Amino acid sequence: GENVEQHPSTLSVQEGDSAVIKCTYSDSASNYFPWYKQELGKRPQLIIDIRSNVGEKKDQRIAVTLNKTAKHFSLHITETQPEDSAVYFCAASKGSNTGKLIFGQGTTLQVKP
Amino acid sequence: DAGVIQSPRHEVTEMGQEVTLRCKPISGHNSLFWYRQTMMRGLELLIYFNNNVPIDDSGMPEDRFSAKMPNASFSTLKIQPSEPRDSAVYFCASSFLLPGGTEAFFGQGTRLTVV
Repeated sequence: GENVEQHPSTLSVQEGDSAVIKCTYSDSASNYFPWYKQELGKRPQLIIDIRSNVGEKKDQRIAVTLNKTAKHFSLHITETQPEDSAVYFCAASKGSNTGKLIFGQGTTLQVKP
Repeated sequence: DAGVIQSPRHEVTEMGQEVTLRCKPISGHNSLFWYRQTMMRGLELLIYFNNNVPIDDSGMPEDRFSAKMPNASFSTLKIQPSEPRDSAVYFCASSFLLPGGTEAFFGQGTRLTVV
């Protein structure tokens, strides 16, 4: 079955710096790759997603890149702010055959003021 | 829409007792997921339903766990008998499955403590 590996497990940056989180997946049939943000004590919420027919997607300060050949995708956050501090999860899904969404282990991002 | 609704929000029970977690997905969604979240194992997919039918229950840890979805607006996850190692936050999520994937919306979770 699908396996998603996420690195690093923790990341500490200064406010204003960039943060990069990387994930790899095992199933080449996966075609949907969302990123979720989970604040302490709250539910995971989608922040950005990318489908396999696209190599890069950007939304203001966040961007995601996908390399299908290498089976890895990354989240980039620029100009980080203290409110970006949270746990970030990547996930992979095969979409139409099964919507089963498998998550990476999570990255705890700390943005220091 | 109120989003995915889970109940109870918190549950404390004694080892050996039966626990039932409930979920109401977003109206119109055709897929429902149950996840368990712990510090050690992260977000684990337990079971996934599509159109009320269980598609994949390979993540259910053992026979003590069972899940049902009797209709499109309700699902339960039952643990019988419960054990302390079942303590975790259990999330239900729903989505409208489309080719190419779509966002899963999470409920607020049920924090289960088994003592």
